[in-house]
Amino acid sequence: ETGVTQTPRHLVMGMTNKKSLKCEQHLGHNAMYWYKQSAKKPLELMFVYNFKEQTENNSVPSRFSPECPNSSHLFLHLHTLQPEDSALYLCASSQQEGGSYGYTFGSGTRLTVV
Amino acid sequence: GESVGLHLPTLSVQEGDNSIINCAYSNSASDYFIWYKQESGKGPQFIIDIRSNMDKRQGQRVTVLLNKTVKHLSLQIAATQPGDSAVYFCAEIPYGGATNKLIFGTGTLLAVQP
Repeated sequence: ETGVTQTPRHLVMGMTNKKSLKCEQHLGHNAMYWYKQSAKKPLELMFVYNFKEQTENNSVPSRFSPECPNSSHLFLHLHTLQPEDSALYLCASSQQEGGSYGYTFGSGTRLTVV
Repeated sequence: GESVGLHLPTLSVQEGDNSIINCAYSNSASDYFIWYKQESGKGPQFIIDIRSNMDKRQGQRVTVLLNKTVKHLSLQIAATQPGDSAVYFCAEIPYGGATNKLIFGTGTLLAVQP
C-alpha cells in the first residue's frame, strides 16, 4: 500500500460506455496527477491538479474528463473511448513544499476498450 | 493504424552481480533527478533521488551517479537479487520549470537470472 489508492484495478468497457476511474491519496499531498502508460512508451502526463485547481492539460482528448473535488480525491471520467485508449492509467500525488518533489504512484487501473 | 511503440532496453544480469542502468537526459538545466522502479502490475515506486549540486548519492544497495557534463545519470544496484527484476525509469525536473512536472524516460527492463 503506497498511500495512493486507485479503483478499479481492472476495467473493460465498450466504446459507447461511460465509466470513471477513482484515485484517493492519504498522504496529505497538495498535487495530484493522471498519467497514461502504454506498452513500451514513456509515461504520458495527462492532467495536473494543484490545490484542486487544474494547472495542466497535456493536449488530452475531451473524451477524458478529470475532476478533483478536494486535495485527496481525483477522478477521470471516460466516455466514447477508442481501442487505442487501452492502457494502464496511473494516479500520483506529491507535496510541493519542503523541497521534496517525488511522486507517489498508485497501482493503476488497467483499462481495456473493446 | 496502430503506432509502433519504442523498444524497451533490456539489461540481463546474473543474481549476485552488480547492475548498472543508464539514462541520458536532454535538458542541461534540469535540477532534480529521481529513479523509479516498476514491478509488473504495480505503479512506479521511488528508489532514490539526487540534486544537480551532487555527483553521487547512496542508498541501501543502490547508488545514483550524475554526470552533468555529458547529461548522464546512472543507477547502480549492488548484489542484484531476483526481486530487483522490474522496469527502471529515470525522471527529471528542469530548473525553473514547474516544480511538480516530472519528465520520465522510456525505462529499462532489468531481468535477473537465478
